[in-house]
Amino acid sequence: DGGITQSPKYLFRKEGQNVTLSCEQNLNHDAMYWYRQDPGQGLRLIYYSQIVNDFQKGDIAEGYSVSREKKESFPLTVTSAQKNPTAFYLCASSIGVGEQFFGPGTRLTVL
Amino acid sequence: SQELEQSPQSLIVQEGKNLTINCTSSKTLYGLYWYKQKYGEGLIFLMMLQKGGEEKSHEKITAKLDEKKQQSSLHITASQPSHAGIYLCGARGGNTDKLIFGTGTRLQVFP
Repeated sequence: DGGITQSPKYLFRKEGQNVTLSCEQNLNHDAMYWYRQDPGQGLRLIYYSQIVNDFQKGDIAEGYSVSREKKESFPLTVTSAQKNPTAFYLCASSIGVGEQFFGPGTRLTVL
Repeated sequence: SQELEQSPQSLIVQEGKNLTINCTSSKTLYGLYWYKQKYGEGLIFLMMLQKGGEEKSHEKITAKLDEKKQQSSLHITASQPSHAGIYLCGARGGNTDKLIFGTGTRLQVFP
């Protein structure tokens, strides 16, 4: 079955640690995205990639980093520079400017 | 920058009742997407609207985009508990892969 997977589902981080969230898709989509969702707020774009080996900052990129070495993979690293990382993180992919398909999400909690 | 405002923020209805959720943009919409989210899960794509006056239906859910392409509505007929969740609208402001999202409408349906 085609789809988007995210792992882990739950992640706990100590202050000062970097953590990496995984996002994999087998839909053969060129574009991939990372969003952050906080209670009472909509989704905010962190980073997006339209093609392998290329990515652009979204609206809230500070404290995050990404890579796009393979078409199917778009991992997100939450660095210690992100002051308030506790949130629900969603990965999505699309064919160009078509509708975006979302993964199940990763809930990150800072201890 | 473009913003999407959703109303109401929260809705509690009795099973069997009809309801409408609105999504209003400060600028012309070039693609309006409706998604549904269960708490703690990813977004499920419902419908996409592009043309002014366009209307689409799927089962008991109907989405419309007004002629000026600045407002969309999502109407649920004879609501059921399975309709409960958060409904989000997303839109492109122009020829871009990026979507911006409304803050969501939380729908609860009680028997």
